[in-house]
Amino acid sequence: SQTIHQWPATLVQPVGSPLSLECTVEGTSNPNLYWYRQAAGRGLQLLFYSVGIGQISSEVPQNLSASRPQDRQFILSSKKLLLSDSGFYLCAWSRDLVAAEAFFGQGTRLTVV
Amino acid sequence: KQEVTQIPAALSVPEGENLVLNCSFTDSAIYNLQWFRQDPGKGLTSLLLIQSSQREQTSGRLNASLDKSSGRSTLYIAASQPGDSATYLCAVLNQAGTALIFGKGTTLSVSS
Repeated sequence: SQTIHQWPATLVQPVGSPLSLECTVEGTSNPNLYWYRQAAGRGLQLLFYSVGIGQISSEVPQNLSASRPQDRQFILSSKKLLLSDSGFYLCAWSRDLVAAEAFFGQGTRLTVV
Repeated sequence: KQEVTQIPAALSVPEGENLVLNCSFTDSAIYNLQWFRQDPGKGLTSLLLIQSSQREQTSGRLNASLDKSSGRSTLYIAASQPGDSATYLCAVLNQAGTALIFGKGTTLSVSS
């Protein structure tokens, strides 16, 4: 069976510090990978998606970047965090873009202070 | 631009009641619609996926329907239990097939 892992579960970082959140998927190959952010009082917003190694698409301009160094690894990064980067970050995967069910990780609660 | 709305935003019911959660979307050109459950501080658990060609899907006490032409979906929960308490989110796949567009959810509380 397939599983998705996200870490860390919680993170408190000062403004201006770097960020690295990691997500890995097990039990499948060549998954489509996604990073979403859930801000308080707002719905989930797609940040990045990837259909393959080194292929990253950004949905919204922001202070964040994503990378996919291996088939089942997806990393969310920032060089300098802003207060507005606080939120709940969720990684997800699906088998294909159009018809497949999406599965989510347990999320990372990021607080920038 | 696709927008997803969920009504009501919150719902409280006694244990044993049957209930319906509503989801509407503005653009009927969707690939699929997915219902999720989110417990406080946790990730999303997929409940049901309905393809655009389907009318409904069932899993245990859950039944989801889809009316693409009217831009609506409902999630029916039979014989609710306290363990059903959570936020329920619906999402539709955007036209490009690249992202799920989410509603803000319905927070359900089932009292014993």
